[in-house]
Amino acid sequence: EAGVTQSPTHLIKTRGQQATLRCSPISGHTSVYWYQQALGLGLQFLLWYDEGEERNRGNFPPRFSGRQFPNYSSELNVNALELEDSALYLCASSRGGTTSRITEAFFGQGTRLTVV
Amino acid sequence: EDKVVQSPLSLVVHEGDTVTLNCSYEVTNFRSLLWYKQEKKAPTFLFMLTSSGIEKKSGRLSSILDKKELFSILNITATQTGDSAIYLCAVYYAGNMLTFGGGTRLMVKP
Repeated sequence: EAGVTQSPTHLIKTRGQQATLRCSPISGHTSVYWYQQALGLGLQFLLWYDEGEERNRGNFPPRFSGRQFPNYSSELNVNALELEDSALYLCASSRGGTTSRITEAFFGQGTRLTVV
Repeated sequence: EDKVVQSPLSLVVHEGDTVTLNCSYEVTNFRSLLWYKQEKKAPTFLFMLTSSGIEKKSGRLSSILDKKELFSILNITATQTGDSAIYLCAVYYAGNMLTFGGGTRLMVKP
């Protein structure tokens, strides 16, 4: 069974551009979580999607947005990129529900975003 | 403000040594504490602790939670080079999406 897959593995963008990161959850999982891991820092929660709806959002500016598709895959968009957006972006998936099952989630390998 | 603090930030040991990693937390409505190992990119789950004083064990790794003193430790005995990784501690509490500590980077030398 395939795990959580993320693409691309690496992404290099120029300041001011937009980045789109993609995540495919484990089959049967309907919840997708996005985290940012900046160098030297722990994981910071970005977004939680379940059944196509945004359920929760972390303390990030509105230029961080996303969506979840009917097949439960998800996209994270970062607009107006800034140098400090350079980080590893991790996606995790779990079974769904109105209550988060983040403690049961599995993480993907991440997308390394570099903003130059 | 809710926070999770891990120590030490980094650690270098030799194979066969025993290490203890620390995680302290200050959160409201605590539910559980989780440990992850991050070798390259994807954090992989190690333990989830919800009750004080009950040790969770898996091979050479063990962990325990103290809810009175608000901390947890992760022990690794007879370390191997394959234990080299970042170890992450995270706390789950009501309405939260996991609050992570900054991690401890462990390097095990042959």
